[in-house]
Amino acid sequence: GQNIDQPTEMTATEGAIVQINCTYQTSGFNGLFWYQQHAGEAPTFLSYNVLDGLEEKGRFSSFLSRSKGYSYLLLKELQMKDSASYLCAVWFSGGYNKLIFGAGTRLAVHP
Amino acid sequence: ETGVTQTPRHLVMGMTNKKSLKCEQHLGHNAMYWYKQSAKKPLELMFVYSLEERVENNSVPSRFSPECPNSSHLFLHLHTLQPEDSALYLCASSQDSTEASNEQFFGPGTRLTVL
Repeated sequence: GQNIDQPTEMTATEGAIVQINCTYQTSGFNGLFWYQQHAGEAPTFLSYNVLDGLEEKGRFSSFLSRSKGYSYLLLKELQMKDSASYLCAVWFSGGYNKLIFGAGTRLAVHP
Repeated sequence: ETGVTQTPRHLVMGMTNKKSLKCEQHLGHNAMYWYKQSAKKPLELMFVYSLEERVENNSVPSRFSPECPNSSHLFLHLHTLQPEDSALYLCASSQDSTEASNEQFFGPGTRLTVL
């Protein structure tokens, strides 16, 4: 199977830090994406990890551990506009190159 | 704006209607995709086209029929749909369908309601 698991919902306070976790089955793994999707809008690319470690991009960072089948998205200095769904997606290869998405984590940022 | 446009943005149709969804990408990409997004479910890949050739048909019922006349345009033809087909249909494109690092750029989607 190619299950991608992430929490359904999270809440956080403006200005705080939040970590959204994602776990996946490691067989065939060839890269992991995080996308942000505001309600009624298209998903937009946030980050791509293929090697272990932390990738930092402004207020957003993404971490990957290939051996553990684990990633997280870290959002710092939260703003109200960060309220959105965050989609974890894994590229699986080995005869079936495709991007498999998790169900998304709906983040609500409160004042 | 992601460079991928979709029309219509909203569509309501009866089960006996025939309609088409249109997607256009202005990014010069070689691969295009159709996804279905139902409430509280993961995005489901439906079809993949690479250089206008269908390379993936993810066990989608025949009442959904894709068409890719050129690398910039992708259609999804709909006929005799069921109420459970109501969902957000997203189109995406990427530079290449086989390269893992190529991010996919999504259109805004068509919200489809089948009555």
